[in-house]
Amino acid sequence: DSGVTQTPKHLITATGQRVTLRCSPRSGDLSVYWYQQSLDQGLQFLIQYYNGEERAKGNILERFSAQQFPDLHSELNLSSLELGDSALYFCASSVDPHSNTEAFFGQGTRLTVV
Amino acid sequence: AQRVTQPEKLLSVFKGAPVELKCNYSYSGSPELFWYVQYSRQRLQLLLRHISRESIKGFTADLNKGETSFHLKKPFAQEEDSAMYYCALDSNTGKLIFGQGTTLQVKP
Repeated sequence: DSGVTQTPKHLITATGQRVTLRCSPRSGDLSVYWYQQSLDQGLQFLIQYYNGEERAKGNILERFSAQQFPDLHSELNLSSLELGDSALYFCASSVDPHSNTEAFFGQGTRLTVV
Repeated sequence: AQRVTQPEKLLSVFKGAPVELKCNYSYSGSPELFWYVQYSRQRLQLLLRHISRESIKGFTADLNKGETSFHLKKPFAQEEDSAMYYCALDSNTGKLIFGQGTTLQVKP
C-alpha cells in the first residue's frame, strides 16, 4: 500500500457526461500529480499541484480540469466525455517536487466511456 | 524536447536468462532517471533511480550520459519479474516523463 488513495476504482459512464476522480495523497505529501494511461498513448502526465497551486501542466485537454484542496486531496474533473477518454487515471504524490523524492502512485481509476 | 524512448514493447526471455530493457532519453540538462514497475493488477512502484546506484531485486541500471541511455539489466531473470517496466525522466520539476513501457515476460 503506497498510502495514495484513489476513488472510485472503476467508473463506467456515457459519452457527453462529466465525472470527478478523487485522490488522497500520502500523509505529509504536498505535491499531487495526475497521469493518464491508455493503450495507444502510454503513461502521459496531465497536471501537477503543489500545496494547492497548479505547478505544471502536461497534455491535459481543455475538457479536463483539476484542483487541490486545502486538505491536499485533489480532484480531476473530466467533462464532455468521449470514447477516447477511456483509460486508467493515476494519481501520484510526493513530498517535494524539487528534491527528486520518490513519487508514490495510487491504484488508479479505470474509466470506461460507452 | 524531453522524451523517453523504450524501443521494445515486449521482451520475452526464459527463466535464468539475462535481461536488458532498453531506455534512451532526450534532455538537455542533467535528468533524474527512474525505472518503475507495474505488476499485474497492481499500482506503479519505483524499482530504482540512478542517483541511488543500488540494486533492487537483482536489477541494476547505469546512466550513460554519452549515449543518453539508462538500460535496466538483470543477469538471471525470474518468473516473478514478469511485469510492465517503465523508464521515466524527472527534469527537476517533479513531473515524470514516461517511456511507452516494455512488457517483460519470463517463461519457465
